[in-house]
Amino acid sequence: EVQLVESGGGLVKPGGSLRLSCAASGFTFSSYSMNWVRQAPGKGLEWVSSISSSSSYIYYADSVKGRFTISRDNAKNSLYLQMNSLRAEDTAVYYCARDKGDNDYWGQGTLVTVSS
Amino acid sequence: VIWMTQSPSLLSASTGDRVTISCRMSQGISSYLAWYQQKPGKAPELLIYAASTLQSGVPSRFSGSGSGTDFTLTISCLQSEDFATYYCQQYYSFPRTFGQGTKVEIK
Repeated sequence: EVQLVESGGGLVKPGGSLRLSCAASGFTFSSYSMNWVRQAPGKGLEWVSSISSSSSYIYYADSVKGRFTISRDNAKNSLYLQMNSLRAEDTAVYYCARDKGDNDYWGQGTLVTVSS
Repeated sequence: VIWMTQSPSLLSASTGDRVTISCRMSQGISSYLAWYQQKPGKAPELLIYAASTLQSGVPSRFSGSGSGTDFTLTISCLQSEDFATYYCQQYYSFPRTFGQGTKVEIK
């Protein structure tokens, strides 16, 4: 059974940093690209970042470029999102999702709140 | 950037109704389109990919059509568990983009 479990969310002050993790199981993690998608409270879905299976290709939304860094460790079946210089508008539930173009499996999400 | 216009944003319907949701692209994306269902407090779930292919386990009352710039999600006979928010998403190019969402509510 495919499982994606995010962790690392919490309350952080503006300008602060946070590192999200996504633990994957039930599939060959190293064979798939992975995504981070976020959803601000009461709002729609926003794609944040994608990383290819071997980390050769990485993409970011303009809204996070230069502040967020996506990475993965295939030996640990884990996906990460390092978030720096956080802003109030980064407040959202962050989901990791398996990428096959579409996102066929999603984690339950982790809430990031940026507030003083 | 490929812009997406999803309509309507709110749809009031009754159990048993046939409903359609539209997604229009600012440029052609062939069939690189997915549809998701999201219920409150839950992660989105994939319903349809490649514009018209039903994800495994999704009821056959859901169907997708279209290619190029115009796409449609149809629910043929609305069930109580279908009241939710629906999103389209293009995966033709980066940045990936989602539609604004359509909330299907009980009439």
